[in-house]
Amino acid sequence: QSAVTQPPSVSGTPGQRVTIFCSGSSSNIGSNPVSWFQHLPGTAPKLLIFGNNQRPSGVPDRFSGSKSGTSASLAISGLQSEDEADYYCAASDDSLNGVIFGGGTKLTVL
Amino acid sequence: EAQLLESGGGLVRPGGSLRLSCGASGFTFSNYAMAWVRQAPGKGLEWVSAVGVSSGSTYYADSLKGRFTIARDNSQNILYLQMNRLRAEDTAVYYCAKSRGAYGLPPNFDQWGQGTLVTVSS
Repeated sequence: QSAVTQPPSVSGTPGQRVTIFCSGSSSNIGSNPVSWFQHLPGTAPKLLIFGNNQRPSGVPDRFSGSKSGTSASLAISGLQSEDEADYYCAASDDSLNGVIFGGGTKLTVL
Repeated sequence: EAQLLESGGGLVRPGGSLRLSCGASGFTFSNYAMAWVRQAPGKGLEWVSAVGVSSGSTYYADSLKGRFTIARDNSQNILYLQMNRLRAEDTAVYYCAKSRGAYGLPPNFDQWGQGTLVTVSS
């Protein structure tokens, strides 16, 4: 079944490291590269990670991505208040012949 | 700097049609795949459709096939989304997004527009 699951919310304090996990299946994360996006309501989403662990220019190295099997993760180190946003993973899905987004994770900086 | 500007959103009755446009500037439009992604009120991001560097390679979310059509005009640097037989559940902000590559499916969307709101209601 094609679905990608993320925890609804995570939280951390300034300076802390947080990790957001994304669980998929063999047809999506298991066989295709994963991207991660940051989205603040009312603004355009921003690409943080592509190709599982590649950062576009301009994205701080505090953001890092990894993948293992049918799961992926986004780690944010040195947490800052401006990191408070919604985070989404996404991957192509071979069964759907399309793209599937995770449900999104709201990061709260306490 | 790459810029994307969506237009064409608005209020439409159930069963009606709407065509969204996305004007691109600041990059060689014809070299990159493009996509539409939407966000319904209170919901997450949902991929809608993508097109490769030519309109010959198109991809759609299963739930939308047959109602939505994506197309691009490389001579005018415009991406389109024709939406027919609209339903209340199509109400969302629709974003236009540029891919890092020429192929339509990897979700490596490195530039996004600000979005245009489509409201389907009687």
